[in-house]
Amino acid sequence: KAGVTQTPRYLIKTRGQQVTLSCSPISGHRSVSWYQQTPGQGLQFLFEYFSETQRNKGNFPGRFSGRQFSNSRSEMNVSTLELGDSALYLCASSPQGDSRYTGELFFGEGSRLTVL
Amino acid sequence: KNEVEQSPQNLTAQEGEFITINCSYSVGISALHWLQQHPGGGIVSLFMLSSGKKKHGRLIATINIQEKHSSLHITASHPRDSAVYICAGPTRPLQGAQKLVFGQGTRLTINP
Repeated sequence: KAGVTQTPRYLIKTRGQQVTLSCSPISGHRSVSWYQQTPGQGLQFLFEYFSETQRNKGNFPGRFSGRQFSNSRSEMNVSTLELGDSALYLCASSPQGDSRYTGELFFGEGSRLTVL
Repeated sequence: KNEVEQSPQNLTAQEGEFITINCSYSVGISALHWLQQHPGGGIVSLFMLSSGKKKHGRLIATINIQEKHSSLHITASHPRDSAVYICAGPTRPLQGAQKLVFGQGTRLTINP
């Protein structure tokens, strides 16, 4: 069974640009959550989607947005990039809603964004 | 004060030693995750527990919901256990949306 796939793995952008990151969950998983990891702030929750609906959102500005498609694939977008947006962006999927759900999260390898 | 506090922040030990990493939280967490992150960034979920104790190989996790405290133990530690260990709790009930709050992580180094 394929794991969680994130693309691209690495990217470099300049201030003011926008970026779109993609996350393909494990087949059958309907919940996808996104996280930002920086050396200063550590891991922080961005948002979570379940069956195309955003169920919860972390404390990030409106420049950070996301969506989920009917096949459960998810994208997140950051507009008007700032230097502080340089981070590792991780997504995780889980089989919430499945009777076998044990609470485990399955993480992708992350997308490392550098803003110059 | 962070909602989820881990200790110690850094831990260096010799191969074979018994390792304990602690996690205390102030928010109303109904269950807690223990995660392992190796250099390069990949994160693996080790445990999710809401009560008692769970064991997987040489790893043992315990939680006391009333005292808001959890511990991760590694028996017979090995250099391949070297990683950052992170605890995190959902701020909503288990079956709902998981707005995870993370500890700052414990960097574990096991020397041969």
